[in-house]
Amino acid sequence: EPEVTQTPSHQVTQMGQEVILRCVPISNHLYFYWYRQILGQKVEFLVSFYNNEISEKSEIFDDQFSVERPDGSNFTLKIRSTKLEDSAMYFCASSADRVTYEQYFGPGTRLTVT
Amino acid sequence: AQSVTQLDSHVSVSEGTPVLLRCNYSSSYSPSLFWYVQHPNKGLQLLLKYTSAATLVKGINGFEAEFKKSETSFHLTKPSAHMSDAAEYFCVVSDHMRFGAGTRLTVKP
Repeated sequence: EPEVTQTPSHQVTQMGQEVILRCVPISNHLYFYWYRQILGQKVEFLVSFYNNEISEKSEIFDDQFSVERPDGSNFTLKIRSTKLEDSAMYFCASSADRVTYEQYFGPGTRLTVT
Repeated sequence: AQSVTQLDSHVSVSEGTPVLLRCNYSSSYSPSLFWYVQHPNKGLQLLLKYTSAATLVKGINGFEAEFKKSETSFHLTKPSAHMSDAAEYFCVVSDHMRFGAGTRLTVKP
């Protein structure tokens, strides 16, 4: 069964450093998403991406964040200058359409900022 | 704006007894609703979804949920809990995929 994959599974970085989180969505999906889950808190929507541009973003997704689909398979989330409060689990998801909004989630990347 | 409220942060049941995880939603139009499960150190897995077809939705692992517009509810049920059902469960409403706070299900032997 096709699945969304994410690398790395765990990333440790120092405050102020740039990090890139990588995702490989399901191959025939057209819509891509990033979410984060701070430890002990709810899953929060960050951004959605379609047709090589951001379609929606939350207030969390400020100028420190950017997304890119650099080739036909990868979907990346970049955090330009990490802060302690960026420590969280980051989930990538993809969906085939926006009618049903059925999204398939990856296993997540745990980001720890020290 | 859409939102969901999961009424219980923690539910504990004995193995073999019924499970009820409660979710109320708020939406100005007919929403799509989902239940996802998250096992420890795992990603989010779709259990079931409601997208304006049948109001009683059957999902994987014996779970089902009923969409009740009059009560703005989408509660998740299972007739008989199994130890492997112990996990975090999230109710989610479209279109920004707004997650509830989650309900942690514990299953006692």
